[in-house]
Amino acid sequence: QKEVEQNSGPLSVPEGAIASLNCTYSDRGSQSFFWYRQYSGKSPELIMSIYSNGDKEDGRFTAQLNKASQYVSLLIRDSQPSDSATYLCAVNNAAGNKLTFGGGTRVLVKP
Amino acid sequence: EAQVTQNPRYLITVTGKKLTVTCSQNMNHEYMSWYRQDPGLGLRQIYYSMNVEVTDKGDVPEGYKVSRKEKRNFPLILESPSPNQTSLYFCASSPRGGLYGYTFGSGTRLTVV
Repeated sequence: QKEVEQNSGPLSVPEGAIASLNCTYSDRGSQSFFWYRQYSGKSPELIMSIYSNGDKEDGRFTAQLNKASQYVSLLIRDSQPSDSATYLCAVNNAAGNKLTFGGGTRVLVKP
Repeated sequence: EAQVTQNPRYLITVTGKKLTVTCSQNMNHEYMSWYRQDPGLGLRQIYYSMNVEVTDKGDVPEGYKVSRKEKRNFPLILESPSPNQTSLYFCASSPRGGLYGYTFGSGTRLTVV
């Protein structure tokens, strides 16, 4: 079992729709959870962080965390073509000395 | 501007020729790390450093060396590069380990022929 798992996609959504991305993790001691956006050939860019159960909203992005079920999700509302990218879920380990990344979900927003 | 700076951005080298990829951050972060990214394998940690003179292996350290003599710099050294080290490399820094997320450098695309 991979430490952090994501569906690789591509997830194709029409412009203006909601994109829903999921991520599961194996380390129950993890305390910090992140979503990064990565455009092709570019470096990952932090878009959301979440530390406690529930929802966290920032603009068009909402992160959801459920530690009991060990999953993290990201919703992108009113999706735009510029949201087309690979989204990486990252989870810190219990020791706090590294982030482990999922393989990423590729999102395609079609006009 | 707060940033992590990597150099070079692109590098083509031959097998066995020692090389160094530099990484510098201006945010006074204690934690720095190197990752490589390969298609189908995602981002994998090579080495990390919790502070000056403190380094440790990540998941794929074979064939790499690092040093942390100053807080701002964390160079990645390939003493005898091989073709399987062809990859996209990222340096990252954080105020404190994995707790607050990382800031990534722009990446170094390395090709070993």
